[in-house]
Amino acid sequence: AQKITQTQPGMFVQEKEAVTLDCTYDTSDPSYGLFWYKQPSSGEMIFLIYQGSYDQQNATEGRYSLNFQKARKSANLVISASQLGDSAMYFCAMREEANELVFGQGTRLTINP
Amino acid sequence: NAGVTQTPKFQVLKTGQSMTLQCAQDMNHNSMYWYRQDPGMGLRLIYYSASEGTTDKGEVPNGYNVSRLNKREFSLRLESAAPSQTSVYFCASSEDPMFGNTIYFGEGSWLTVV
Repeated sequence: AQKITQTQPGMFVQEKEAVTLDCTYDTSDPSYGLFWYKQPSSGEMIFLIYQGSYDQQNATEGRYSLNFQKARKSANLVISASQLGDSAMYFCAMREEANELVFGQGTRLTINP
Repeated sequence: NAGVTQTPKFQVLKTGQSMTLQCAQDMNHNSMYWYRQDPGMGLRLIYYSASEGTTDKGEVPNGYNVSRLNKREFSLRLESAAPSQTSVYFCASSEDPMFGNTIYFGEGSWLTVV
């Protein structure tokens, strides 16, 4: 079974709009972490935001926030006021107790001017 | 602050050749990882090292060997390269196996096997 599912292969958004990238996960571990990474066309992986399974509040980092719905096993990334530089691949990942970081297949986000 | 450094950045190999990808981190992290990323896909774990002196297989270890030379360095070796190993390889490190630490990635190594 897929541990991380990103159902949106591609998304197109107008500049300055907010965008939500979907991520659902599957785990039976009570303790886990969820990560979002951005991969621009240059290829490097850039850490954006982290949410721990025991964290009571949704994580926020500047324009990025994570909409964590534990009962639904959902960890969507919200980017507010999108910018042209936000165009990239976005990966959701999960880390369980075994230490291995498992990635979803990614969502390609394109911001239109 | 260099973070995680991988070399080489680009490499073309002929089928059957061998090569080693080098990775070094200057953050004093205990854990290090090697991932591969195929076109349009997420990253898949090849091998990881939770601490100096230990290595473990990930999701796709076949055709690879690793060496945790010391705390800073973690190398990935392809003994007999195959076209199926054409991919982008990422090295990463994290502070320790404790849950919740950020994993830092290198810039990637583009490998083509012809």
